[in-house]
Amino acid sequence: DAGVIQSPRHEVTEMGQEVTLRCKPISGHNSLFWYRQTMMRGLELLIYFNNNVPIDDSGMPEDRFSAKMPNASFSTLKIQPSEPRDSAVYFCASSPNSGNTGELFFGEGSRLTVL
Amino acid sequence: AQRVTQPEKLLSVFKGAPVELKCNYSYSGSPELFWYVQYSRQRLQLLLRHISRESIKGFTADLNKGETSFHLKKPFAQEEDSAMYYCALHSSNTGKLIFGQGTTLQVKP
Repeated sequence: DAGVIQSPRHEVTEMGQEVTLRCKPISGHNSLFWYRQTMMRGLELLIYFNNNVPIDDSGMPEDRFSAKMPNASFSTLKIQPSEPRDSAVYFCASSPNSGNTGELFFGEGSRLTVL
Repeated sequence: AQRVTQPEKLLSVFKGAPVELKCNYSYSGSPELFWYVQYSRQRLQLLLRHISRESIKGFTADLNKGETSFHLKKPFAQEEDSAMYYCALHSSNTGKLIFGQGTTLQVKP
């Protein structure tokens, strides 16, 4: 298994543009998490899904952020419009057992730079 | 409120010296705590969990409920231990895994 796969690995865009980050969780895992990593705040949980259903999106910073999980093998995190303060590394992680365990398997991250 | 605090952003030690990475938590209930590690150019990965009471790569961590701490320790640091370390708290109520801000460990030769 290749593990959690994220794309793109790097994205540079201009303020106001739409950004879409993608994630393929590990096959058989039924929980999926999106985190944002910055120097100032460390790792912040944005949203997580159980069985493709969003359970908690209280960490999503504003309405400009949205996430979907149309099926068990794919999720997207969208920022529209993007702003320079959105620059960060965005991680996707998956877990078996419906989030009943704290063991997450992380992707390599998508580094976003908004100019 | 559920919170994890890692007071040190950077910890720098010499090879062979003891290491202690501090972690304090706030949680009303029975906590489930973890340490994750991110080596340079690698994914964030689980290092150890308090429930296993195991030693991984020479690291141990003991849950101290009285002090609400879960410090990570190693008696003799190695250069390959240089990495970013995150303490994390799993909430059984919400299913969330909450991370501290992370500590960069730098082991100098």
